[in-house]
Amino acid sequence: AQSVSQHNHHVILSEAASLELGCNYSYGGTVNLFWYVQYPGQHLQLLLKYFSGDPLVKGIKGFEAEFIKSKFSFNLRKPSVQWSDTAEYFCAVIDTGTASKLTFGTGTRLQVTL
Amino acid sequence: NAGVMQNPRHLVRRRGQEARLRCSPMKGHSHVYWYRQLPEEGLKFMVYLQKENIIDESGMPKERFSAEFPKEGPSILRIQQVVRGDSAAYFCASSPHPGQAGFSGYTFGSGTRLTVV
Repeated sequence: AQSVSQHNHHVILSEAASLELGCNYSYGGTVNLFWYVQYPGQHLQLLLKYFSGDPLVKGIKGFEAEFIKSKFSFNLRKPSVQWSDTAEYFCAVIDTGTASKLTFGTGTRLQVTL
Repeated sequence: NAGVMQNPRHLVRRRGQEARLRCSPMKGHSHVYWYRQLPEEGLKFMVYLQKENIIDESGMPKERFSAEFPKEGPSILRIQQVVRGDSAAYFCASSPHPGQAGFSGYTFGSGTRLTVV
């Protein structure tokens, strides 16, 4: 069964600092990869996704992620965070072979201080 | 162009009552997924449905929980005889068929926050 690991549970950064959140998955087949963001009290919003092609994916709000197949990783990055990026970030994977459910990591809570 | 609609947004139930959570998928989406988010935890898959079919219910508790997605109307997640541990946010997502061309992921609803008192 596929699984998703997010090793950073809680990250605190100052505004303008660079961000990298780790995501690793355990499935060896073809996968689609996603990063979602959940602002306090709100639902999940899609930040970016990788299906195929260029492994460097650009999403909304200046976020990007790089798919490294050999490392089973899909880390999220942002060069300069803002206070408004304070939220919880979830990595997720779907196995395209079985086309079944989206599996989420446990999430990383990002707190950006002024 | 309405997204995934969930209602109610907030639901308070006393222990032992039934909770019914509704989810209307996006127009054109035939696949519905329910997830539960407990405080301080990530999203846990519960059940995956197509119209009139349960595709994967591996995340559903064996007792008290049931889900349906009838031919007409919204998908319903039903929790019978609720207990305090059922208090959580329940999110619904919808998608077109995941294996078909044009699939671009799931769209999530705003969730139903269930509080059991």
